[in-house]
Amino acid sequence: EPEVTQTPSHQVTQMGQEVILRCVPISNHLYFYWYRQILGQKVEFLVSFYNNEISEKSEIFDDQFSVERPDGSNFTLKIRSTKLEDSAMYFCASSYTSEGEQFFGPGTRLTVL
Amino acid sequence: EDQVTQSPEALRLQEGESSSLNCSYTVSGLRGLFWYRQDPGKGPEFLFTLYSAGEEKEKERLKATLTKKESFLHITAPKPEDSATYLCAVGNNAGNMLTFGGGTRLMVKP
Repeated sequence: EPEVTQTPSHQVTQMGQEVILRCVPISNHLYFYWYRQILGQKVEFLVSFYNNEISEKSEIFDDQFSVERPDGSNFTLKIRSTKLEDSAMYFCASSYTSEGEQFFGPGTRLTVL
Repeated sequence: EDQVTQSPEALRLQEGESSSLNCSYTVSGLRGLFWYRQDPGKGPEFLFTLYSAGEEKEKERLKATLTKKESFLHITAPKPEDSATYLCAVGNNAGNMLTFGGGTRLMVKP
């Protein structure tokens, strides 16, 4: 069964450093998303991406964040200058249609020291 | 602003003891209501989508129902392997983001 994959599973970084989180969505899906979940809190939407551009973003997704689909399979989230409060699980998701179910990857645990 | 509230926060059941989880929501225009299962340290696993009031979906021991204000996830004769956090999320017609509730942590004891 097709699934969303994410790398790395765990990333530790120093405050102020740049990180890139990588995702491979399900191959025939057209819509891509990033969510995050701070420990013990709700899953929060960050950004959605369709047809090589951002279609929707939340207030969390400020100028420190960017997304890219560098090739036909990968989808990345970059945080330019990490803060302590960026520590969270980051989930990538994909869907075939904009209104259809979103399938989530296993997540990348980001720890900012 | 869309809002999702789930109750109870935690639920302990004996194996075979049926119960229901509640998801109350407010949304500007419902595109869909989604149920997910999340195991510790893992990503949400899709279970059901409900699109309109009165709709019901079933999968093994789980049954999801939808009204205009809430959704229920009924679990019949649960087994220990059903232990997980169950998440409810709504999508609205204005976009494709999902707004999640805080989840119900279900623990089923043998």
